[in-house]
Amino acid sequence: KQEVTQIPAALSVPEGENLVLNCSFTDSAIYNLQWFRQDPGKGLTSLLLIQSSQREQTSGRLNASLDKSSGRSTLYIAASQPGDSATYLCAVTRKGGATNKLIFGTGTLLAVQP
Amino acid sequence: NAGVTQTPKFQVLKTGQSMTLQCAQDMNHEYMSWYRQDPGMGLRLIHYSVGAGITDQGEVPNGYNVSRSTTEDFPLRLLSAAPSQTSVYFCASRLSGFGYNEQFFGPGTRLTVL
Repeated sequence: KQEVTQIPAALSVPEGENLVLNCSFTDSAIYNLQWFRQDPGKGLTSLLLIQSSQREQTSGRLNASLDKSSGRSTLYIAASQPGDSATYLCAVTRKGGATNKLIFGTGTLLAVQP
Repeated sequence: NAGVTQTPKFQVLKTGQSMTLQCAQDMNHEYMSWYRQDPGMGLRLIHYSVGAGITDQGEVPNGYNVSRSTTEDFPLRLLSAAPSQTSVYFCASRLSGFGYNEQFFGPGTRLTVL
């Protein structure tokens, strides 16, 4: 059974700091891994999608890496800003079965202090 | 593109009432799905559809029905609401049932069952 874990559950950093969010998964049979951002009371915004054949993806101040063999992904946020405060979710698309469904971690709540 | 839209944003029901949560997408995506998000449980798949006329159950389908008569719309019906169905419901879509496509989420419907 695929399980996705995110550590830490919560993180508070001062503005300007670089930070890393971690995501681990137990089964390497995945199509891809997706990082989402969720603001309080809002929906999920897709940040980065890494296919299983890729090692990393970058978008602006965000960089996501994927090590499928070890079952790990990291989301690196450079020069953090208060506007980055949100819950960050990772999800893997599981191979096999009819659903090819997304399996989510429970998220990391990030607070960037001004 | 409006992306994935959901209505209503908020809803309060009494136990035993029925209602339909609406979901629509304008990206011509074949694959659509419904998730519920609960504290400490993450997002869990309720039902999904790989195309018009084709639906199937996810992890937590009990108490919910779906149908897919058009590519654009994928409504979720609560047959007889129960307090355990108090949750935030998200509709999602991706280009096809193939697992390597990016998934997009709607803004969510916050449902309270009294």
